[in-house]
Order: sequence, then structure tokens, then C-alpha cells
Amino acid sequence: AQKITQTQPGMFVQEKEAVTLDCTYDTSDPSYGLFWYKQPSSGEMIFLIYQGSYDQQNATEGRYSLNFQKARKSANLVISASQLGDSAMYFCAMRENNNNDMRFGAGTRLTVKP
Amino acid sequence: DTGVSQDPRHKITKRGQNVTFRCDPISEHNRLYWYRQTLGQGPEFLTYFQNEAQLEKSRLLSDRFSAERPKGSFSTLEIQRTEQGDSAMYLCASSFLAGGTVGETQYFGPGTRLLVL
Repeated sequence: AQKITQTQPGMFVQEKEAVTLDCTYDTSDPSYGLFWYKQPSSGEMIFLIYQGSYDQQNATEGRYSLNFQKARKSANLVISASQLGDSAMYFCAMRENNNNDMRFGAGTRLTVKP
Repeated sequence: DTGVSQDPRHKITKRGQNVTFRCDPISEHNRLYWYRQTLGQGPEFLTYFQNEAQLEKSRLLSDRFSAERPKGSFSTLEIQRTEQGDSAMYLCASSFLAGGTVGETQYFGPGTRLLVL
């Protein structure tokens, strides 16, 4: 069965610093996709970044990058130059090739301090 | 592109009442998903549609829950005889599936917060 683990319930970071949010996953499917979403207090899930299991390079999208370590089954999100608006819940999710549903972790609440 | 919209944003109801939520996906997206999110948890998959066909339902979707997507556009999620345990955020997402499913990115709406008293 799929499993997504986010071990950090809460994280604090100083404004303008970088922060890494951890995510590990468990799957036996060789083909899968990993996603990160941001959920502000308003509730909407905002797509941030995607990494495919066969992608050779780590994904990057602006200030977001994904540190993909396939052998360790980890897909950590790195946010560079944190901004106050980055304060939110962050969810890691995985989609297997043989499943139609996307499984989410429990999330990490990030607080950016001024 | 106006994004995924959901209505209502908030719903308070008494136990035993029926409620219906609506989701309008991004236009031309052929897949539509429903998720439930309880406090302190990530979203949990409920069901999804490809065009107008409901292709999969989670075991979380009890007989009191029904979803439709007539004409493959907007979707409704109805909960009959609501229970206090149904209190949650109900999220809708849409995507366009053009090939493999692994890289299919789902775009979420703002959700409907349901409180059952």
C-alpha cells in the first residue's frame, strides 16, 4: 500500500532563509509521480512542483526545488529565500501508475518569522 | 481560466439533513476528483470522474454519499442523513489527462467546509 510520511508537524524559518520540508514515501510501483501542494489558511490547495520517478534531474520551479533521492524514497521540498507569504501547510503527495487516487501526507505547517 | 470553483464555501447543517455541494472544474478538464480533509490531516480520495463516467469510488464513500457529473462538466456531491463525523472540508480537483497518469497534475478548488451539528 502507498504511504506518505511527513515527519515534521511544524517548522519555523526566518524570512529570507531557506527551509527543507521532509517527505518519504513507500511504493513498489516503479512508475510514480510526487507532488507538493501548499494550503494557506483559506483552504485552497495550490500546486507547487512535480517530480516523476524516471526524471533524471531534480525538479525546480522558481524558489521551489525538490530534492529527490530515489534510493532513499525521499522527496524533500526546498524553499529558498522564504517570504512571509510562504507561511502555510505543505503537503507531499504521490500518484502511482497503477492507481487513480493521489495519496497525501499529514502535512507540515511552515511559519516564516519576520 | 477561472480555476476550480466550489459552492457553497461553508455549510452548517443539523444531523440527519441532506446536503449537496457543487464543483465547477477548469474548462476542458476531463477528470474531476472529490476529496475529504479532516482537521490536521491531508486530503483523502473519495471518487473521481473521467468525463461523465464515475470510474472509481473509495471505501470511504459510504452509501449515504453520491456524486454525479452530468454532461461531463460540473459535479455534485450529495450527503444524505448527515452525521457529525461527516464534518470536514470537501475538496474538488480537476485535471486534463492526455496520456500517462503519473504526471497528471490536479488543480484544487477552495473547498466546502461542512459542519454537522
